[in-house]
Amino acid sequence: DIQMTQSPSTLSASVGDSVTITCRASQSISSWLAWYQQKPGKAPKLLIYKASNLEDGVPSRFAGSGSGTEFTLTINSLQPDDFATYYCQQYNTFSHFGGGTKVEIK
Amino acid sequence: QVQLVESGGGVVQPGGSLRLSCAASGFTFSSYGMHWVRLAPGKGLEWVASIRYDGNEKYYADSVKGRFTISRDNSKNTLFMQMNSLRAEDTAIYYCTFPQYYFGPGDSGAFEVWGQGIMVSVSS
Repeated sequence: DIQMTQSPSTLSASVGDSVTITCRASQSISSWLAWYQQKPGKAPKLLIYKASNLEDGVPSRFAGSGSGTEFTLTINSLQPDDFATYYCQQYNTFSHFGGGTKVEIK
Repeated sequence: QVQLVESGGGVVQPGGSLRLSCAASGFTFSSYGMHWVRLAPGKGLEWVASIRYDGNEKYYADSVKGRFTISRDNSKNTLFMQMNSLRAEDTAIYYCTFPQYYFGPGDSGAFEVWGQGIMVSVSS
């Protein structure tokens, strides 16, 4: 199985900050990586697909990059609505999620 | 519009069984692979199982292999998950989901569409 390791597990930031979340795959997954945002009591929401492509309707302050085994999600100028938990997901072989990163208010 | 609605959750004792359903509407259900993903309390998202559009290929996470069975009825636009030998660690919100546009090289993809989730609680 492909293991997905996300870091950090928790991130404290303020409105207006830029933050970066890292996701590492245990083997190459090319660009078959997605990023999701999840808020308590809600289903996950797709933000980024194929490593760097923004899903329709997702604000441009979200950006994904990377390929192979190392990927990042950057949120520029954090907004109050962005405080949530973020997950990466590889879909190169079946599907596996990273452990999640909770972005909380500092 | 595209919609997935899960049902069948509840409280069950360890060792018991439950059958989840996911009713699909607003798209050609028989053309898409479908998936179950769960979120356990205090844990992260976990992919559970997948089934190909025609039902002929099924895949499972190691944590549920041999206990859970994914199936589908394309005539009724419904996805199922039969869960047997349930354990406390199966307690979670279960989501059905699928990639409508963003497919990967295998039978998976980036999941744009999600149900609202259904709670399964395994407790004595």
